[in-house]
Amino acid sequence: DAGVIQSPRHEVTEMGQEVTLRCKPISGHDYLFWYRQTMMRGLELLIYFNNNVPIDDSGMPEDRFSAKMPNASFSTLKIQPSEPRDSAVYFCASSLGWGGDHNTGELFFGEGSRLTVL
Amino acid sequence: DQQVKQNSPSLSVQEGRISILNCDYTNSMFDYFLWYKKYPAEGPTFLISISSIKDKNEDGRFTVFLNKSAKHLSLHIVPSQPGDSAVYFCAASPPQGAQKLVFGQGTRLTINP
Repeated sequence: DAGVIQSPRHEVTEMGQEVTLRCKPISGHDYLFWYRQTMMRGLELLIYFNNNVPIDDSGMPEDRFSAKMPNASFSTLKIQPSEPRDSAVYFCASSLGWGGDHNTGELFFGEGSRLTVL
Repeated sequence: DQQVKQNSPSLSVQEGRISILNCDYTNSMFDYFLWYKKYPAEGPTFLISISSIKDKNEDGRFTVFLNKSAKHLSLHIVPSQPGDSAVYFCAASPPQGAQKLVFGQGTRLTINP
């Protein structure tokens, strides 16, 4: 399996522009998570989906952020308009969830998308 | 409000010695704890976990200790190797089913030859 695939790996944009980050989870995983990594706060959970349905978006910082999961193999995180304080590394992760033989709670992370907003 | 805290941003240890990374949490409802390791330009990868019903879990050179009364856990790496140089994240989870892992800020471990 190729693992969680994220694109783009790097994005540099100007303040006010729309940013779209993409994620392909591991096939068969029924949970998908979007995290943001900053020096001050470490890894923050933004939103997670179960079977393509958003379960908890309480970590989404503002209305400028939105996330979708139109099918089991694709998700997007959109920032519109972007601001310099949104500069961070955004990680997508997927998991099988709890129970059965897979109750370690292990998340499988992509390599991240480094966003710089000038 | 940081529910999981790693108060040491960095740690430097000599190769062959023991590395001890610490983590504190505030939410007594957390009942499952994990450590993740992250190399530069890569995503975090799972390292080891522990359930709140245990106070120790060991996997090779890695041991995690949990002190529930102190709301504290630690990761011991012995002996430390240069390949262990990475950022280590502590994470905690509420009772099973919630799926919401809460991560600490991370500790950058450097193993010196």
